[in-house]
Amino acid sequence: EIVLTQSPATLSLSPGERATLSCRASQSVSTYLAWYQQKPGQAPRLLIFDASNRATGIPARFSGSGSGTDFTLTISSLEAEDFAVYYCQQRSDWPRALLTFGGGTKVQIK
Amino acid sequence: EVQLVQSGAEVKKPGESLKISCKGSGYSFTSYWIGWVRQMPGKGLEWMGIINPGDSETKYSPSFQGQVTISADKSIRTAYLQWSSLKATDTAMFYCARLRGISHFDYWGQGTLVPVSS
Repeated sequence: EIVLTQSPATLSLSPGERATLSCRASQSVSTYLAWYQQKPGQAPRLLIFDASNRATGIPARFSGSGSGTDFTLTISSLEAEDFAVYYCQQRSDWPRALLTFGGGTKVQIK
Repeated sequence: EVQLVQSGAEVKKPGESLKISCKGSGYSFTSYWIGWVRQMPGKGLEWMGIINPGDSETKYSPSFQGQVTISADKSIRTAYLQWSSLKATDTAMFYCARLRGISHFDYWGQGTLVPVSS
């Protein structure tokens, strides 16, 4: 089973600053890597799929990069509504289709 | 508009059975797998399994294989997650979500809270 390790666990930043979140896979996942945002009391929301594609309606300040085992989610300039928990998720080769989530990174106001 | 609407919160006792539901609308229900995700209180997301509503093929996370059953009824556009005997450690929020490209979840239900306590 592929393990996703997210770092840091917590990121304390101010509005307007740049956020860089990391997700590392225990073996290659190609570009089958997605990022989600979750706010308290809400369901997760898809931000990025296939490592670098923004989902519908996601602002351009969110970007994803990486392939293989190392991936990054960047928020270019934090806005008040961006303070939340972020999860990465991978899907292993079909037809095994084992999905896993990373442990999450909490982006909090400094 | 794509929507996944889940059944309401259920308060259960250990040993009881439970089946929660997820009804899809606004898209071709049999064209996308549906997945279930657990979130224990204050914790992260855990993938439980997925089902193809078209033919009911399922794939389970090793952590949940044998612990839950995922099913679907395409005639009423609904997927299910069920337990035969709940434990207190099953207390969690459960989300269903649509799997796009067989790789990522693009639409999510609102969640079903299942507290299990004696």
